[in-house]
Amino acid sequence: DAGVIQSPRHEVTEMGQEVTLRCKPISGHNSLFWYRQTMMRGLELLIYFNNNVPIDDSGMPEDRFSAKMPNASFSTLKIQPSEPRDSAVYFCASSRRGRTNEKLFFGSGTQLSVL
Amino acid sequence: KQEVTQIPAALSVPEGENLVLNCSFTDSAIYNLQWFRQDPGKGLTSLLLIQSSQREQTSGRLNASLDKSSGRSTLYIAASQPGDSATYLCALNAGNMLTFGGGTRLMVKP
Repeated sequence: DAGVIQSPRHEVTEMGQEVTLRCKPISGHNSLFWYRQTMMRGLELLIYFNNNVPIDDSGMPEDRFSAKMPNASFSTLKIQPSEPRDSAVYFCASSRRGRTNEKLFFGSGTQLSVL
Repeated sequence: KQEVTQIPAALSVPEGENLVLNCSFTDSAIYNLQWFRQDPGKGLTSLLLIQSSQREQTSGRLNASLDKSSGRSTLYIAASQPGDSATYLCALNAGNMLTFGGGTRLMVKP
């Protein structure tokens, strides 16, 4: 298995532009998580899905952030409009839901820079 | 709200030394605890997972312990190597959501 795949690897954009981050979870995993990592705040959970349904989006910082999971093999995190304070590394992770002994597998992340 | 703390934030040791990384948490109602490794510019790799009912897990030179009553976990690395240099994070699972500590940045010097 190729693991959790995220794209793009790096994204540089200007303030006000729309940014879309993409994630393909591991096949067979039915839980998907979006995390944001910054030096100041560490790793923060933004939202997670079970069986393509958003379960908890309380970590989404503002209405500018939205996430979708149209099917079991694809998810997007969108920021519109983007701001410089959104600059961070965004990670997607997946696991098998309902099994407490299942590890969480992370993608390589998207380094976002908003100028 | 679960709070996870890792001390120290950074650690530098000479090659070959045995070392212990610490993780403390405030809420013992957890399903499991995971230790992750993160290399610079990379994602997180799960090293060890300890179930709530377990006391420790071992993988090679790594041994992780869990003491829920005291709200503590340790990651023991034996005979450290330069290749062990990375940031190590602990994360607690309380209902399919992980709460991460801030991490310990480890440097093993040749």
